[in-house]
Amino acid sequence: QKEVEQNSGPLSVPEGAIASLNCTYSDRVSQSFFWYRQYSGKSPELIMSIYSNGDKEDGRFTAQLNKASQYVSLLIRDSQPSDSATYLCAVNILAYGGSQGNLIFGKGTKLSVKP
Amino acid sequence: DTEVTQTPKHLVMGMTNKKSLKCEQHMGHRAMYWYKQKAKKPPELMFVYSYEKLSINESVPSRFSPECPNSSLLNLHLHALQPEDSALYLCASSQDPRTVSGYTFGSGTRLTVV
Repeated sequence: QKEVEQNSGPLSVPEGAIASLNCTYSDRVSQSFFWYRQYSGKSPELIMSIYSNGDKEDGRFTAQLNKASQYVSLLIRDSQPSDSATYLCAVNILAYGGSQGNLIFGKGTKLSVKP
Repeated sequence: DTEVTQTPKHLVMGMTNKKSLKCEQHMGHRAMYWYKQKAKKPPELMFVYSYEKLSINESVPSRFSPECPNSSLLNLHLHALQPEDSALYLCASSQDPRTVSGYTFGSGTRLTVV
């Protein structure tokens, strides 16, 4: 059973601080990793994808990947109240000899940014 | 067009009703997905269509019946549902079946079974 683990939180940070979200996964051959943001009652929105070890930055967001440790993280700098949402880590799992993929989601971390 | 469109946005149905959820994308994506999401839970995969053929069925009860009439459309037919089937139903698409670049999600259909 392929698993994706996240701390469910809630994670509370003050406005302007750095929020750090973590995720571990069990499938050693996974190559594609994603962070989705989901506001309450809305659908998930892709905010970051990462495929190689190291850091990937996009605006206030930085994704970090360590395949040896099977660990993905998301840093949000200068956190804003509008960042308050649930953040879902997703890992692409390939089946049928690698011809078919689907995303397995972690349970999500609820982030609350206090003004 | 970079969107996945789902209709209706909200649906209330009785346990004896038959209804359908619709999903449409015009991005040329070749894989489409149905997910079910209960409150405070992650999305759970139901069905995967690759090149308009059903490739994954995650042991979903037969009261849920998917259909892919063409490469842009995906339907989910509902019949004799139970109150515990009330959830947010999400459609997603990806550029290719290997899902290398992730999904684009629709806005979802909030289903209530009474």
